[in-house]
Amino acid sequence: ETGVTQSPTHLIKTRGQQVTLRCSSQSGHNTVSWYQQALGQGPQFIFQYYREEENGRGNFPPRFSGLQFPNYSSELNVNALELDDSALYLCASGAGTISYTFGSGTRLTVV
Amino acid sequence: AQRVTQPEKLLSVFKGAPVELKCNYSYSGSPELFWYVQYSRQRLQLLLRHISRESIKGFTADLNKGETSFHLKKPFAQEEDSAMYYCALSGGGSQGNLIFGKGTKLSVKP
Repeated sequence: ETGVTQSPTHLIKTRGQQVTLRCSSQSGHNTVSWYQQALGQGPQFIFQYYREEENGRGNFPPRFSGLQFPNYSSELNVNALELDDSALYLCASGAGTISYTFGSGTRLTVV
Repeated sequence: AQRVTQPEKLLSVFKGAPVELKCNYSYSGSPELFWYVQYSRQRLQLLLRHISRESIKGFTADLNKGETSFHLKKPFAQEEDSAMYYCALSGGGSQGNLIFGKGTKLSVKP
């Protein structure tokens, strides 16, 4: 059984650019959630995907978008990057009442 | 508004001392409460959830709806308990939509 894997682990982008982060869900999990964790803060819910559809969204602007693929893996896309987007982005997968499993995260730095 | 408050950023205790990590929440309805832990250089992982009413690694937490609290307790702290602890709530019926507190860093000194 494999856990949740995220790629890349780190990346640096310039303000105004676009970025795509990837997440492979744990085997048997059909739902993926994305979180943003700024320095010194707890994770903040961005959105959740279930059966390739967005199934819940937090207080994030439309430039944060996502995809879920038939194999339940997922992407988080952020357009028009801002300095405040610098954070650790966490992916978590789960199914039904099974507790969610978190990935190690992608550290995004916007300069 | 739905909110989770962890009033202490840092809690430092000596090995063998009791530990209580505080968590208060604001939610209209019946939330599900969780404690997550992040050890150094490891990923966030579930420690316990209130509906399970189980003890994990000696930690327990009781949901007090009157005080809207879900404090995490352990009678005798161990050095390996040093970590970042996050309280979280789920109100939307999905564990994937969690509201986290800012976390408390627990440091257990020898």
